[in-house]
Amino acid sequence: QQPVQSPQAVILREGEDAVINCSSSKALYSVHWYRQKHGEAPVFLMILLKGGEQKGHDKISASFNEKKQQSSLYLTASQLSYSGTYFCGTSEGASGGSNYKLTFGKGTLLTVNP
Amino acid sequence: EAQVTQNPRYLITVTGKKLTVTCSQNMNHEYMSWYRQDPGLGLRQIYYSMNVEVTDKGDVPEGYKVSRKEKRNFPLILESPSPNQTSLYFCASSLRAVYSTDTQYFGPGTRLTVL
Repeated sequence: QQPVQSPQAVILREGEDAVINCSSSKALYSVHWYRQKHGEAPVFLMILLKGGEQKGHDKISASFNEKKQQSSLYLTASQLSYSGTYFCGTSEGASGGSNYKLTFGKGTLLTVNP
Repeated sequence: EAQVTQNPRYLITVTGKKLTVTCSQNMNHEYMSWYRQDPGLGLRQIYYSMNVEVTDKGDVPEGYKVSRKEKRNFPLILESPSPNQTSLYFCASSLRAVYSTDTQYFGPGTRLTVL
């Protein structure tokens, strides 16, 4: 089942912050975040494993709330280069081969204006 | 240069004409996967492979076949393409499977149109 991303779209001015959420109705083992610019391939941002960790990547960070089966991506002091579509991909529990199957949300379109 | 390559990048074909989209990675990755991307639907996994001769279905496997005879190659086969398979296809690979912290690398994409 596809995770649900919110919001579907967000428009920012340069320097503003944004939060993108990714929720699943199933128990998750990991959450991946990607950014895709128009006409290009998705680019890996970070992966979070169950355990409630939070990771950072320059001014982009993410958290994973295992109890809520929800991950949030935080973009602070946004730059023009942050524009693109952000996808979360989730994988379920550790039994059998289910670790390896990624299910992506429909994406969040982020536009950063000058 | 470490990369995932796909061929062809663009393909227009007709219904029922068998085609293969190749995917190759030069990073000695164990895990490879195929996705299709359609407007409003995001990325949907078609098939994935944990290693040579080990493959499994993703969310939308109908109408597709894959094989993994060599570690570096993971071709996607459409035996009898139909117009609903018109889409943008991505191949991806990572060193190991998703329980690790490994980066997943995507190929440049193949835009397929089935008339």
